[in-house]
Amino acid sequence: NAGVMQNPRHLVRRRGQEARLRCSPMKGHSHVYWYRQLPEEGLKFMVYLQKENIIDESGMPKERFSAEFPKEGPSILRIQQVVRGDSAAYFCASSPRDRAQNIQYFGAGTRLSVL
Amino acid sequence: AQRVTQPEKLLSVFKGAPVELKCNYSYSGSPELFWYVQYSRQRLQLLLRHISRESIKGFTADLNKGETSFHLKKPFAQEEDSAMYYCALKSGATNKLIFGTGTLLAVQP
Repeated sequence: NAGVMQNPRHLVRRRGQEARLRCSPMKGHSHVYWYRQLPEEGLKFMVYLQKENIIDESGMPKERFSAEFPKEGPSILRIQQVVRGDSAAYFCASSPRDRAQNIQYFGAGTRLSVL
Repeated sequence: AQRVTQPEKLLSVFKGAPVELKCNYSYSGSPELFWYVQYSRQRLQLLLRHISRESIKGFTADLNKGETSFHLKKPFAQEEDSAMYYCALKSGATNKLIFGTGTLLAVQP
């Protein structure tokens, strides 16, 4: 099991461009969480998805940010018209279908730099 | 408000010394707490969870509801314990995690 895979590891964008961050959960996992880590801060929850459903997006900024987890393929976190304040590390975590297990396994993260 | 506080940004100890990484939480209800560790150039990984009551790599953590704390302890630090440690609280039915800001543990030879 390759673990949670995130790509790209590093992403550089200019202000106003779009950023797409991808997350492939561990095999057999159907729950995906996205977190953001700003410099000098802890990880902050953004969104929780199951296949084809957004379950909890209480941590997502109201504008420019969206997430999906299609039936086939990775989960995507999309940031439109990026600004310098979006520069951060974005982590994805997955957990198994049995949520009683309640353990989240993290990817290595994508570091977004906005110029 | 649900919150996790790790008051120390950096904790530096000598090899063989005891270690205590502090974590306090604020949560209404029955909390479920975790310690995650991130070694240099590696991904965040679960170290231990309070409901398991286990010891991993010599580390233990006891939930103290009276003091709302979940401090991480190890009696004798090793150099390979040097890493970033995050305390986290499970929140709500969706199991999202609330993280503290982390403590960097540096174990000197």
